Amino acid sequence: DSGVTQTPKHLITATGQRVTLRCSPRSGDLSVYWYQQSLDQGLQFLIQYYNGEERAKGNILERFSAQQFPDLHSELNLSSLELGDSALYFCASRGTSDTDTQYFGPGTRLTVL
Amino acid sequence: SQKIEQNSEALNIQEGKTATLTCNYTNYSPAYLQWYRQDPGRGPVFLLLIRENEKEKRKERLKVTFDTTLKQSLFHITASQPADSATYLCALAGSGSARQLTFGSGTQLTVLP
Repeated sequence: DSGVTQTPKHLITATGQRVTLRCSPRSGDLSVYWYQQSLDQGLQFLIQYYNGEERAKGNILERFSAQQFPDLHSELNLSSLELGDSALYFCASRGTSDTDTQYFGPGTRLTVL
Repeated sequence: SQKIEQNSEALNIQEGKTATLTCNYTNYSPAYLQWYRQDPGRGPVFLLLIRENEKEKRKERLKVTFDTTLKQSLFHITASQPADSATYLCALAGSGSARQLTFGSGTQLTVLP
C-alpha cells in the first residue's frame, strides 16, 4: 500500500459527459502528479500541483483540468469525454523529505462508451 | 525529441536465473532514473532510484546500474521467482523542480517455474 488513495476505482460513462477523479496523497506530501495510461500511449504525465499551485503541465488536453485543495487532495476533471479518453488515470505523490520518489495510487479506470 | 526505449516488450526466463532489463534514452539529461514494477490493472510500485552521479544501486535481489555516457540503465533481478513476473517500467526525471517522470513503454517479464 503506497498510502495514496484514488476514487472511484472504476468509472463508466458516455461520450460528451464530464467526470471528476479524486486523489488523496500520502500524509504530508505536498506534490501531486496526474498520469494517464492508455494501451497505445503508455504512462504519460498530465499535470503537477505543489501545495495548491500548478507547477508543471505535460500532455494534458484543454478539456482536462485539475486542482489541489487546501487539505492537499487533488481532483482531475475530464469534460466532453471522447472514446479515446478511456484509460487508467493515476495520481502520484512526492514528499519533501523523501524528495524524489513518486508513490502511485491504485488508479481509476475510466471507460467511455 | 526525448525518447526512452526498453529493450523488449516481453522477456521470459527460467526460475532461479538472473533477469536483465535494459533502458536506453536519447535527447535527455535526467537528474535520476527510477524503476517501477506494475501488475495488470494496478499502479506502478517504486523499486529503485539511481542518480546521475551514481553507478550502481542494490536492494535485496535487485540491482540497477546507470551509465550516463551510454545513456543506459540496466536492471537486474537475481534468483528470479515466478512472483517477479510483472511489467517493469523505467522512468526518467528531469532536473527541473517539477521532477515529472517520463516513462518507457515497459518490459513484461515472465519467470517460468
